[in-house]
Amino acid sequence: EADIYQTPRYLVIGTGKKITLECSQTMGHDKMYWYQQDPGMELHLIHYSYGVNSTEKGDLSSESTVSRIRTEHFPLTLESARPSHTSQYLCASSAEEAPYGYTFGSGTRLTVV
Amino acid sequence: AQSVTQPDIHITVSEGASLELRCNYSYGATPYLFWYVQSPGQGLQLLLKYFSGDTLVQGIKGFEAEFKRSQSSFNLRKPSVHWSDAAEYFCAVGARTGRRALTFGSGTRLQVQP
Repeated sequence: EADIYQTPRYLVIGTGKKITLECSQTMGHDKMYWYQQDPGMELHLIHYSYGVNSTEKGDLSSESTVSRIRTEHFPLTLESARPSHTSQYLCASSAEEAPYGYTFGSGTRLTVV
Repeated sequence: AQSVTQPDIHITVSEGASLELRCNYSYGATPYLFWYVQSPGQGLQLLLKYFSGDTLVQGIKGFEAEFKRSQSSFNLRKPSVHWSDAAEYFCAVGARTGRRALTFGSGTRLQVQP
């Protein structure tokens, strides 16, 4: 079944640690996105990719980085986690021919202590 | 740049009552418009979308939305709410040209009373 997977679902980690949030999709979608969502607040686009080796920063400034070495994989990395990074991170993908046909993952809820 | 405003942070309705969630957008032309629903601990699911044509669009789960260009609005409606509709609802806008990434509103949390 075509889908988009995010791991881990929940992560509690200490300040200063390096973390990678995984996002994989099995639909062959070219476009992938990372959104940050704080409780009771809107989703903010932090990174997007239009294909392999293509990544751009979104509207909300983020200390995270992303890579797109394979079509299906779009990981997000924080080199040194801080409490201000505590949030929910949502990954989404869409096809080139249907740029707004988003499929969302279930999200990773990150807590930095 | 486009933006979305959802004026109601939290709405409570009784089961069986009608529902209207408000959404206003800012964009230089007619954008693509969407409503998503998010249940606790889950990702977002598309309820409906407007691209062009008929300004009243039907979605899943009995929801509909009406695009009103003169009011820059895209309000979501349901004639009879079910307890399972309790969730967070997000309105989103997408540009017709340029970067194809959605801009979301801050969401409206819907509670349903028995």
